[in-house]
Amino acid sequence: AQSVTQPDIHITVSEGASLELRCNYSYGATPYLFWYVQSPGQGLQLLLKYFSGDTLVQGIKGFEAEFKRSQSSFNLRKPSVHWSDAAEYFCAVGFMNTGFQKLVFGTGTRLLVSP
Amino acid sequence: EAEVAQSPRYKITEKSQAVAFWCDPISGHATLYWYRQILGQGPELLVQFQDESVVDDSQLPKDRFSAERLKGVDSTLKIQPAELGDSAMYLCASSLIGQGRTEAFFGQGTRLTVV
Repeated sequence: AQSVTQPDIHITVSEGASLELRCNYSYGATPYLFWYVQSPGQGLQLLLKYFSGDTLVQGIKGFEAEFKRSQSSFNLRKPSVHWSDAAEYFCAVGFMNTGFQKLVFGTGTRLLVSP
Repeated sequence: EAEVAQSPRYKITEKSQAVAFWCDPISGHATLYWYRQILGQGPELLVQFQDESVVDDSQLPKDRFSAERLKGVDSTLKIQPAELGDSAMYLCASSLIGQGRTEAFFGQGTRLTVV
């Protein structure tokens, strides 16, 4: 079955430091890949997406992610974290099922930013 | 900017009562999703519509949950009777088409508390 693993439940990063959030997926073919961010009590906002082509994708708010087929990974990175980046981050996999795209989410990583 | 609208934002209900949530997707979006997000977890799909048809309700507890999208536009999710374990955030999302290569846009969610 298709699944998404985000191994880090919490990550604390100092403001200005770099960030990498891990995401691994299980799927037989190349999936569509997404990163969403959720602030407390809010809905999910799309940060970036990968469908095909260049494996390094750029998103909003200075985020980027790299698709590595050999590792079944789609890790999210940011070179310099801002205090406003503190939120919950979800990796998601889109795949086709009975002709329609399904979207499966990981359990999320909570990012804490220290001064 | 077009948004997915959900109401109410917050709902407190007593167990065994009925409760309903409403979602208005982005205009022109044929695919509509209802997700449930328990605190500290990732969103889990309850039901997926393509226009007015259900294409996936395999995780919907059909003894108490129902969903409809009568004219293929807005949608209602109902719980009757509500149980304590239904306390969660209910998220609605929509996408342009469901046949792949599209991202889902999320509403702000409805936070349900069952007491």
